[in-house]
Amino acid sequence: AQTVTQSQPEMSVQEAETVTLSCTYDTSESDYYLFWYKQPPSRQMILVIRQEAYKQQNATENRFSVNFQKAAKSFSLKISDSQLGDAAMYFCAYRGDNTGTASKLTFGTGTRLQVTL
Amino acid sequence: DGGITQSPKYLFRKEGQNVTLSCEQNLNHDAMYWYRQDPGQGLRLIYYSQIVNDFQKGDIAEGYSVSREKKESFPLTVTSAQKNPTAFYLCASSTAGHLVYEQYFGPGTRLTVT
Repeated sequence: AQTVTQSQPEMSVQEAETVTLSCTYDTSESDYYLFWYKQPPSRQMILVIRQEAYKQQNATENRFSVNFQKAAKSFSLKISDSQLGDAAMYFCAYRGDNTGTASKLTFGTGTRLQVTL
Repeated sequence: DGGITQSPKYLFRKEGQNVTLSCEQNLNHDAMYWYRQDPGQGLRLIYYSQIVNDFQKGDIAEGYSVSREKKESFPLTVTSAQKNPTAFYLCASSTAGHLVYEQYFGPGTRLTVT
């Protein structure tokens, strides 16, 4: 079974600074997909960024980018120019390629990000 | 507006009672999912459905049941057999297919059983 590990329960960053959240995963599959979700205090889950394992180029969405290291099974999220609205729980998630037509996700335990002035 | 609704936001039940959580979507998605969220454990998949009248167990299906009689609806019943039912429950939906589609989440239901 696949597992997703987020080893940082809490992180803190100053406004306008950069922070990196870590995620590692364990899988025997060669094709898969990785995601970062954000859960603000409202508890609404929001997709931040996704990465296809077959793509060598790291995904980028505005201030959010990933460092995908397939051999190391590592998928970190970098948030640049942090804003107060970035404060939330961040979850790393894995989706294998052999899950039929439904996108079953395996989630990590989350990292709580605080943004300070 | 298109989206997923879950009701109610907060639900209280006595131990030994079954309770049904509602999930409705108007996104025309074929696939729907139920997750449970506990502090420090992230989200865990309870059940999922790829199409009407079909559903599969997720990682923690014991003590739960679902039905999928309509495309728009995927209710979750928490039975009295579920040993620790107090949790935050999230419903999600996505387009089904062999490409990877984003899951859209509802606002969640906080269930407290005493």
